[in-house]
Amino acid sequence: GESVGLHLPTLSVQEGDNSIINCAYSNSASDYFIWYKQESGKGPQFIIDIRSNMDKRQGQRVTVLLNKTVKHLSLQIAATQPGDSAVYFCAEPLGRAGNNRKLIWGLGTSLAVNP
Amino acid sequence: EPEVTQTPSHQVTQMGQEVILRCVPISNHLYFYWYRQILGQKVEFLVSFYNNEISEKSEIFDDQFSVERPDGSNFTLKIRSTKLEDSAMYFCASTLWGSQPTNEKLFFGSGTQLSVL
Repeated sequence: GESVGLHLPTLSVQEGDNSIINCAYSNSASDYFIWYKQESGKGPQFIIDIRSNMDKRQGQRVTVLLNKTVKHLSLQIAATQPGDSAVYFCAEPLGRAGNNRKLIWGLGTSLAVNP
Repeated sequence: EPEVTQTPSHQVTQMGQEVILRCVPISNHLYFYWYRQILGQKVEFLVSFYNNEISEKSEIFDDQFSVERPDGSNFTLKIRSTKLEDSAMYFCASTLWGSQPTNEKLFFGSGTQLSVL
């Protein structure tokens, strides 16, 4: 069945370095993906999304790359800061577009930024 | 910036008791959701709600669960008789464009940590 999963459960980086968080998905028909950030004690916070007709999308210090050939998604964070320390989730809606779809979540990657 | 608010932040209850988790979605949003996250596990979908009725519910959302939008601002999740395995963080979420695939990003509250003893 459809699933979204993370390659690495934890990632530790030095402040100022770039971070790359990976995500694999299994449903080749998936048309939309979202990255969320969850800080300790808070709810998931939207970071960036991408549609399946795109390979790359950039936000402020974040870039999402989509490789549909290998069904892989990555989130790149430039110049990682201590405030980026959080758990990062990839998620995708399940079902046909336009039907108020539920999100299927990966397990999450914990990013720790070392000063 | 508008946000989804949830109360209480923590709820401790005895097994078999009823609990009501409360949420105030973002005011102009139309689609509402409850998700939960058991410690160390994935975020799981429970239920979606639109136009005063349930759109979809998961297998988790059995007869012990119910949702209600009693007025124009609140959205509640009730668990009638709590079980130990209901212990989790419960997140409320809302979105304006649930039917628009390019605008499906959900806005989440900070969650209610439910502990069933």
